[in-house]
Amino acid sequence: AQTVTQSQPEMSVQEAETVTLSCTYDTSESDYYLFWYKQPPSRQMILVIRQEAYKQQNATENRFSVNFQKAAKSFSLKISDSQLGDAAMYFCAYRKAWTGGATNKLIFGTGTLLAVQP
Amino acid sequence: DTAVSQTPKYLVTQMGNDKSIKCEQNLGHDTMYWYKQDSKKFLKIMFSYNNKELIINETVPNRFSPKSPDKAHLNLHINSLELGDSAVYFCASSRGQGSQPQHFGDGTRLSIL
Repeated sequence: AQTVTQSQPEMSVQEAETVTLSCTYDTSESDYYLFWYKQPPSRQMILVIRQEAYKQQNATENRFSVNFQKAAKSFSLKISDSQLGDAAMYFCAYRKAWTGGATNKLIFGTGTLLAVQP
Repeated sequence: DTAVSQTPKYLVTQMGNDKSIKCEQNLGHDTMYWYKQDSKKFLKIMFSYNNKELIINETVPNRFSPKSPDKAHLNLHINSLELGDSAVYFCASSRGQGSQPQHFGDGTRLSIL
């Protein structure tokens, strides 16, 4: 069974600094997708960034980028120029590529609570 | 212009009652999901429907019964509520079952007294 591990329950960063959140996963599949979701205190689940496993290039979305190491099964999120609004719970998630059948569920890590200090 | 909307946002009720949570999406997606987030913030899939057909049922007690009247709606009915059902329930939707991301509703916080 696939699993997702986030080993940092809490992290803190100064405003305008850079922070990296860790995520590792376990799978025997070669084709899959990885996601980072943000959950602010308002409880919404907001997609931050996604990565297709077949792509070697790391995904970037403005101040957010990932370091995808397929062989190491690692998928870390880097937030540059941190802002107060980045304070939230961040979830790493995995989904197997669809090859028929019920494979489209997201498997989540336990989350990392990020605090941003002014 | 809410994409995935859930009602109600908060639900407080007593043990043993039956309650429903409704979900609607206006994104034209054909796949919808229910996730449960427990008190430790852990998120886990409960059900998934594709074109009104159940495709995922993750060993959820049969007190939970999803119903999809059409592709845009996926409701969750819970019978005989128990204390352990207290959680936040999220509805989500996606286009197909490929690489497209899932879009989440704002969640329904269910509290059992």
